[in-house]
Amino acid sequence: KQEVTQIPAALSVPEGENLVLNCSFTDSAIYNLQWFRQDPGKGLTSLLLIQSSQREQTSGRLNASLDKSSGRSTLYIAASQPGDSATYLCAVIEVGSNYKLTFGKGTLLTVNP
Amino acid sequence: GAVVSQHPSWVICKSGTSVKIECRSLDFQATTMFWYRQFPKQSLMLMATSNEGSKATYEQGVEKDKFLINHASLTLSTLTVTSAHPEDSSFYICSARRGAGYTFGSGTRLTVV
Repeated sequence: KQEVTQIPAALSVPEGENLVLNCSFTDSAIYNLQWFRQDPGKGLTSLLLIQSSQREQTSGRLNASLDKSSGRSTLYIAASQPGDSATYLCAVIEVGSNYKLTFGKGTLLTVNP
Repeated sequence: GAVVSQHPSWVICKSGTSVKIECRSLDFQATTMFWYRQFPKQSLMLMATSNEGSKATYEQGVEKDKFLINHASLTLSTLTVTSAHPEDSSFYICSARRGAGYTFGSGTRLTVV
């Protein structure tokens, strides 16, 4: 059974700092990995999607990497801003799962002004 | 971009009553929609996969008769919580698959009193 783990569970940083969020998964047979952002009481916003054949994806200040063989992904946020404060979730689609997403528990990020 | 509209955003109901949550894909056809449940500080747990024109597929431990799912058209899926009890209070989110990625609704906060 696929398990997704995110470390740390919570992170508090001062504004302007660069930071890295970690995600690991137990079964490397995945179609892709997706990073989401969730604000309190809200739905999920897709940030980056990395196909299993890709190594990384970038969007603005965000960069996500994928090392499928080791079951790891990182989300790098450059020059963090208070508006980046949210919970960040990673999820994988495992081969043979009928395209179901398996989520980690998320990292609660707080960026202090 | 792909938009999924979910209503209501919040609902309070009395114990024993039923509540319907709607999820609509606004600018694309969603043959498959997913329904999740999220408890405070926990990740999303998949409840069921909704397929247009056929019966939903429920995850292990999810009561089919309690959580009725209907996917009557390519743009609408509904989740009905029947005979709701306080333990059903939670955050429910729908998602539709589009291409390789997923788009999520804004979620419904259900409180059963």
